[in-house]
Amino acid sequence: DTAVSQTPKYLVTQMGNDKSIKCEQNLGHDTMYWYKQDSKKFLKIMFSYNNKELIINETVPNRFSPKSPDKAHLNLHINSLELGDSAVYFCASSQGGLAGGYNEQFFGPGTRLTVL
Amino acid sequence: AQSVTQLGSHVSVSEGALVLLRCNYSSSVPPYLFWYVQYPNQGLQLLLKYTSAATLVKGINGFEAEFKKSETSFHLTKPSAHMSDAAEYFCAVSDLESNFGNEKLTFGTGTRLTIIP
Repeated sequence: DTAVSQTPKYLVTQMGNDKSIKCEQNLGHDTMYWYKQDSKKFLKIMFSYNNKELIINETVPNRFSPKSPDKAHLNLHINSLELGDSAVYFCASSQGGLAGGYNEQFFGPGTRLTVL
Repeated sequence: AQSVTQLGSHVSVSEGALVLLRCNYSSSVPPYLFWYVQYPNQGLQLLLKYTSAATLVKGINGFEAEFKKSETSFHLTKPSAHMSDAAEYFCAVSDLESNFGNEKLTFGTGTRLTIIP
């Protein structure tokens, strides 16, 4: 069984469209994240949720809206897609609950978004 | 804010040679440090982590890293490179202000490791 899964794996779309990426984890973790990896492989956190509550929101344009229907799912909806949104988006999860950044984050396989 | 710097965006070593990937951190207090590996077209996998216990940390696939406070470094090493080690390697630091659900990883820019047959 895949621990952290994302759909779709590839997403090609036109500028101005709205698209969603889904993430599911079966590890029983409380915390989930979205990261963006740009064309130079630089990884940066976008959001984190703990038990469906938004915790981290890193100066991401409000065209990006995460939604967590339950603690096993964290979806990312992107409105009015722009060329600069082309990247690989990674979902991750961790147990949470221990202060001090100790908990390992488990990453999904990534979704490669290409905006034309 | 904490940060990590990875020296060398590309490193090439011969099969069987020593692998050394460099990472320096910036922090006013002891951080939590991580090395992740990303194989082509895959997600990130944790190699090892430093959490203020032993300064020499052993990870998977024969990798290890040593935390050196005096040098603010956390370099990754492997005594003998295998072809299967070819991948992108990321050093990361965890924000010590992290609390419940706020465990933000800040990544370095990555080092691509190439193994020469």
